[in-house]
Amino acid sequence: ETGVTQTPRHLVMGMTNKKSLKCEQHLGHNAMYWYKQSAKKPLELMFVYNFKEQTENNSVPSRFSPECPNSSHLFLHLHTLQPEDSALYLCASSPSLERANYNEQFFGPGTRLTVL
Amino acid sequence: GQNIDQPTEMTATEGAIVQINCTYQTSGFNGLFWYQQHAGEAPTFLSYNVLDGLEEKGRFSSFLSRSKGYSYLLLKELQMKDSASYLCAVGDSNYQLIWGAGTKLIIKP
Repeated sequence: ETGVTQTPRHLVMGMTNKKSLKCEQHLGHNAMYWYKQSAKKPLELMFVYNFKEQTENNSVPSRFSPECPNSSHLFLHLHTLQPEDSALYLCASSPSLERANYNEQFFGPGTRLTVL
Repeated sequence: GQNIDQPTEMTATEGAIVQINCTYQTSGFNGLFWYQQHAGEAPTFLSYNVLDGLEEKGRFSSFLSRSKGYSYLLLKELQMKDSASYLCAVGDSNYQLIWGAGTKLIIKP
């Protein structure tokens, strides 16, 4: 247990569906992240929130929409996805963005997403 | 561009020693991290280097040479549970982590 939980653990959806991924951290951290992990590829940073404010959006398609209502919760809203979006979606948190030696990230178990 | 290179897969024998290399080219440098990821699980933090030299933590050690853009993770007295992927990541000038694709380590009895 890393202190970061994600639900659901597995999700199968059609291209016309709308679904949401949820992440919650119990570590009192101020920064939260969404990553996409595809087989044999580096982790791709999608979104970063620091003190609930979005600080990074790495050219992610608009069919992915993040939401951070407070520093403990992070959502990823999905709509009209494509089959190539099938991947493991990982949430992470860290104490702070500003201090490099505090940038150890704690990961949730991920949501395995399959788009049909 | 920013790039992290590490071998795709390595095989080692239980009880032996293995060294996993990582080379990097990034805009800025704010430390190098190693993470372990077992199949189907979340990555977990192993080590952090920001100064040149060797950091030892039990059976695992991590080395950094900033001038060469090079790091390695050394695993001693290998156990079957060490079979996992090992991810190298570098903090760039914006304190974001740039990740390698990971090295899958297979331990054989």
